Amino acid sequence: GDSVIQMQGQVTLSENDFLFINCTYSTTGYPTLFWYVQYSGEGPQLLLQVTTANNKGSSRGFEATYDKGTTSFHLQKTSVQEIDSAVYYCAMRDGGNTGKLIFGLGTTLQVQP
Amino acid sequence: EAAVTQSPRNKVTVTGGNVTLSCRQTNSHNYMYWYRQDTGHGLRLIHYSYGAGNLQIGDVPDGYKATRTTQEDFFLLLELASPSQTSLYFCASSAGTANSDYTFGSGTRLLVI
Repeated sequence: GDSVIQMQGQVTLSENDFLFINCTYSTTGYPTLFWYVQYSGEGPQLLLQVTTANNKGSSRGFEATYDKGTTSFHLQKTSVQEIDSAVYYCAMRDGGNTGKLIFGLGTTLQVQP
Repeated sequence: EAAVTQSPRNKVTVTGGNVTLSCRQTNSHNYMYWYRQDTGHGLRLIHYSYGAGNLQIGDVPDGYKATRTTQEDFFLLLELASPSQTSLYFCASSAGTANSDYTFGSGTRLLVI
């Protein structure tokens, strides 16, 4: 069945470090892919999304590239700041016509000053 | 401003108690969703709906009922609450099209003692 895999449960970095959060997906076809960010005490909010038409998405210094060959959608940021500390969810549109998103388990990013 | 509003923000109930969580969206979206969020499990879909009067079963529906009374309002009902239902609950809405994302509410934290 359809699935989204985030292997890293927790990532701890220092300010100005490079961020890389791994995400792979499994489905038939080429779904729209998403990254959501959840700050403490809030609901998840859309960070960026990518379709097969544009292949790459970016927002607030974050970037993700849709790689159909490796079925991956990794999130990157060149230089993280303490305010980037949050939980990051990778997600994809369900393969059926259900309107659902399938979420990974999330990666908690802690950036130390 | 379009939004998803959840109430209450926090709720404490006793085992066997009756709880209703409310969600209202002003996004004119067709789809609405209820998720629970637990450490180690990420976001898990309980129920969802694609319009007033419609209800679809999610991935973890046991012990939960839901009702979509209007396009704007979606309710989650726990008729015999159990401690295992202690969790953070999120409501979301979506247009439901191939590239549409979710808008989440701020969450309801439920404690069943």
